[in-house]
Amino acid sequence: DVQMTQSPSSLSASVGDRVTITCRASQRISNYVNWYQQKPGKAPQLLIYAASNLHSGVPSRFSGSGSGTDFTLTISSLQPEDFATYYCQQTYSSRTFGQGTKVEI
Amino acid sequence: EVQLLESGGGLVQPGGSLRLSCAASGFAFTSYAMAWVRQAPGKGLEWVSVIRGSGDSTFYADSVKGRFTISRDHSKNTLHLQMNSLRAEDTAVYYCVREQQLAQFYFDCWGQGTLVTVSS
Repeated sequence: DVQMTQSPSSLSASVGDRVTITCRASQRISNYVNWYQQKPGKAPQLLIYAASNLHSGVPSRFSGSGSGTDFTLTISSLQPEDFATYYCQQTYSSRTFGQGTKVEI
Repeated sequence: EVQLLESGGGLVQPGGSLRLSCAASGFAFTSYAMAWVRQAPGKGLEWVSVIRGSGDSTFYADSVKGRFTISRDHSKNTLHLQMNSLRAEDTAVYYCVREQQLAQFYFDCWGQGTLVTVSS
């Protein structure tokens, strides 16, 4: 099974900060990585698919990159509504989520 | 507007059974794979199962294989998850999700979730 290791597990940031979250796969998975955002008490929402493609309606301050084993989600200028938990997911072999990164004030 | 509405959650004893349903609307149901993802209280996301649009292929996480069965009813645009031999560790919010299966696979629409509690 492909394991996805996210880091950090949590981070503190301020409005306007540039935030980067990383995800490392246990084997090479091309670009089969997606990113989701989850706010407390709500269902997750898709942000990025296929490593770097912005889902419809997602603000352009979100971006994704990577291929092979290392992937990143970047928020270029953190906004108040971006405080949430972020998950990476691989779909190269079955489907596996990372453990999540909580972005706090 | 795409809508996914789960139902069927509740309290069940260990070893018991429960059937979840997800009513889909706003899109061509038979054209999409559908899946279940769960989240234990205070924990991360765990993929549970997926079924192709045609219904002819199903896949399961090792943690539920042999106990859970995913199915779909195209006449009612409804997705189901039959859960048998339930354990305490199956306690979670269960989300119904639509999966895109074009060049890549990803979950682009999520329901609001239904809570399953396994406890005596």
